[in-house]
Amino acid sequence: GAVVSQHPSWVICKSGTSVKIECRSLDFQATTMFWYRQFPKQSLMLMATSNEGSKATYEQGVEKDKFLINHASLTLSTLTVTSAHPEDSSFYICSARQGGEKLFFGSGTQLSVL
Amino acid sequence: AQSVTQLDSHVSVSEGTPVLLRCNYSSSYSPSLFWYVQHPNKGLQLLLKYTSAATLVKGINGFEAEFKKSETSFHLTKPSAHMSDAAEYFCAAHLGGSQGNLIFGKGTKLSVKP
Repeated sequence: GAVVSQHPSWVICKSGTSVKIECRSLDFQATTMFWYRQFPKQSLMLMATSNEGSKATYEQGVEKDKFLINHASLTLSTLTVTSAHPEDSSFYICSARQGGEKLFFGSGTQLSVL
Repeated sequence: AQSVTQLDSHVSVSEGTPVLLRCNYSSSYSPSLFWYVQHPNKGLQLLLKYTSAATLVKGINGFEAEFKKSETSFHLTKPSAHMSDAAEYFCAAHLGGSQGNLIFGKGTKLSVKP
């Protein structure tokens, strides 16, 4: 079956630094990728929808300059958390759509900002 | 190992008949459990969640789910299906532990026949 690889699975960084998270569709072309954020014991929050070759569509309340999303190819989307602060510590997960229907999830990235 | 299992990849019902989408989890911890729905060309939407309060949880659009610890299940039900319920449904669990990752089932596609 289709696989979505997300890296890193776990990252610790200092406050003020930037962190890049990659989401790759390994055996299919993903025209659309979604980025979510999840706080402990809370539901996922959709952050943005990323379409290959175009600018990401951000949900209300999500800072575009804080969370940079790039979807340069049909198999790769990246989320960069710029100038990270402790309140950005969270679990980030991506998903990729195959052929307009089925959605596949990455394994997630646990970000801890010190 | 911790896991979430959705037993049916595809469920087909007639409009007006009950819906049952099954979800089982495996964990050493007390989980928080979620059901999400994904309509075509859209991201995930939270239907309902269980976080150790009432075992019968009511969600949006007439859906509800019951947490049964003895059966390690969290099946999603609706008394009467509507055509607009046709979508993909994902069960997810926050299974505890230090990192708090959210684990998804593989999804169940619900088809509703007129």
